[in-house]
Amino acid sequence: AQKITQTQPGMFVQEKEAVTLDCTYDTSDPSYGLFWYKQPSSGEMIFLIYQGSYDQQNATEGRYSLNFQKARKSANLVISASQLGDSAMYFCAMKNTGFQKLVFGTGTRLLVSP
Amino acid sequence: KAGVTQTPRYLIKTRGQQVTLSCSPISGHRSVSWYQQTPGQGLQFLFEYFSETQRNKGNFPGRFSGRQFSNSRSEMNVSTLELGDSALYLCASSFGGPDTEAFFGQGTRLTVV
Repeated sequence: AQKITQTQPGMFVQEKEAVTLDCTYDTSDPSYGLFWYKQPSSGEMIFLIYQGSYDQQNATEGRYSLNFQKARKSANLVISASQLGDSAMYFCAMKNTGFQKLVFGTGTRLLVSP
Repeated sequence: KAGVTQTPRYLIKTRGQQVTLSCSPISGHRSVSWYQQTPGQGLQFLFEYFSETQRNKGNFPGRFSGRQFSNSRSEMNVSTLELGDSALYLCASSFGGPDTEAFFGQGTRLTVV
């Protein structure tokens, strides 16, 4: 069975600083995808970044990067130069390749202060 | 390019009633998945439809059902509503192939009283 673990219920960071949100996963399938989503108070889940299990390089999307360590089964999200608008819930998720079911972690609430 | 559209945004229903939620996916996407989000259980997968066929199903009672139309729009129905069905219901669309990202709508917030 797949499982995502996010151990940080809340994180605080000052504007313009970098922050790392932790995510570990467990699966017995060799092929899978890892995702990060942002959920502001409005409720919409905003796709941030994707990493495939066979990708050799860490994924990057603008200020977001995914620190993928396959042997440790971790997929941490790094947000560089935090902005006030980054304050939200962040969810790590995974799915097995070929299936559309996403398994989510419990989320981390990020608060960016001025 | 229009995103995923869910209607209505908010609903208040009484116990025992039924409700239908709608999801219009991104143009070209053939897969639509539904999720329930509650403070206690977090985000849980309900089911996925691809080309009008249910491909995957989560662990929810039969009161939760869905369907997908030929234009890929999907509806989710919950019958005999219970207080515990109060949740944010999120719809996600994707191309449906391997290694494809899922894009979510803004959700429908259902309150059962």
